[in-house]
Amino acid sequence: GAVVSQHPSRVICKSGTSVKIECRSLDFQATTMFWYRQFPKQSLMLMATSNEGSKATYEQGVEKDKFLINHASLTLSTLTVTSAHPEDSSFYICSARVRLHEGSGANVLTFGAGSRLTVL
Amino acid sequence: GQNIDQPTEMTATEGAIVQINCTYQTSGFNGLFWYQQHAGEAPTFLSYNVLDGLEEKGRFSSFLSRSKGYSYLLLKELQMKDSASYLCAVRRQDNYGQNFVFGPGTRLSVLP
Repeated sequence: GAVVSQHPSRVICKSGTSVKIECRSLDFQATTMFWYRQFPKQSLMLMATSNEGSKATYEQGVEKDKFLINHASLTLSTLTVTSAHPEDSSFYICSARVRLHEGSGANVLTFGAGSRLTVL
Repeated sequence: GQNIDQPTEMTATEGAIVQINCTYQTSGFNGLFWYQQHAGEAPTFLSYNVLDGLEEKGRFSSFLSRSKGYSYLLLKELQMKDSASYLCAVRRQDNYGQNFVFGPGTRLSVLP
């Protein structure tokens, strides 16, 4: 089946530094990828929709200058947390739409393994 | 706006049946999805409904009533490994395309 590869799985950084998280679609092309953030014991919050070859669409309240998204190819989207602060510590998960069945119009979200960011 | 509600926590016994409810209010509704998420891991797809009715997949079934904005996930023959969070998600279609909005999740504990 379709696999979304995400790394790093864990990253610890100092306050004020930037961290890049990569999300790759393996064996399929993803023109659109979704970036979610999840705080402990809370649900997934959509941050932005990453579009290949164009600007990302950010959800209300998400700072586009702080969370830089680049979708330079059909298999790679990156999220860069710039000037990270302790409140940015969270679980970041990317996902892509894949067809449920071959020849089917139905699609579901397949998730990467997630990246746990800890900002000291 | 949009709103998705689920019970925060549920407890059930191994071998039993449990029903996890989800209610939603949203524009551009385009499908209702259920995901399972174990602690510290990414969600995995379980089931989805676009039309009203029941969809059965082995031990898991999901039901949808679009007129009521209501869905449930039914888990049969519960196993200890079913202890996880269960996320209800609505797929929406708007001017920017499709996106998925997740409910708060229900933490299910299966006891021996």
